[in-house]
Amino acid sequence: KQEVTQIPAALSVPEGENLVLNCSFTDSAIYNLQWFRQDPGKGLTSLLLIQSSQREQTSGRLNASLDKSSGRSTLYIAASQPGDSATYLCAVRTQNPPSGTYKYIFGTGTRLKVLA
Amino acid sequence: KAGVTQTPRYLIKTRGQQVTLSCSPISGHRSVSWYQQTPGQGLQFLFEYFSETQRNKGNFPGRFSGRQFSNSRSEMNVSTLELGDSALYLCASSLSGAQETQYFGPGTRLLVL
Repeated sequence: KQEVTQIPAALSVPEGENLVLNCSFTDSAIYNLQWFRQDPGKGLTSLLLIQSSQREQTSGRLNASLDKSSGRSTLYIAASQPGDSATYLCAVRTQNPPSGTYKYIFGTGTRLKVLA
Repeated sequence: KAGVTQTPRYLIKTRGQQVTLSCSPISGHRSVSWYQQTPGQGLQFLFEYFSETQRNKGNFPGRFSGRQFSNSRSEMNVSTLELGDSALYLCASSLSGAQETQYFGPGTRLLVL
């Protein structure tokens, strides 16, 4: 059974710091991994999608890496800003043999606060 | 392009009632997935619809059901509401679902009293 863990659960950093959020999954047989941010009481905003054949994806100050063999992904945020304060969630898309159906399994998130 | 919309945004019901939530995907998207988010269990996958057919299903009781219309709009129904059904219900759409980015709506916050 696929389990997704995010460490740390909460993080508080001063503005301008570079930081790394971690996501671990127990089954390496994934289709892809997606990082999201969620602001309080709101829906999720997609940040980066990494296909299983890729090693990393970049968008602006964000860089996500994927190491399937070790069951890990990291989200790197450069030069953090107060506007980056949110909960960050990772989700893996897994296949359910033998039906071939799939679903997204989410981690519990890292709550980030960037202090001005 | 308009994003994913969900109605209503907030809902208060009592135990035993039923509720229907609606989701309109991004234009051109044919896959719609539903999720339940609670503080205790986090985000959990309910089901996915594609071309009016349920394609994937999570581990929720039969009280949770859904459907998709020919215009890709989707509804989710919960019958015989329980206190534990209080949650933020999110829907997400994607072009075909298999390998693409999911785009989420703002959610419907359901409170069961």
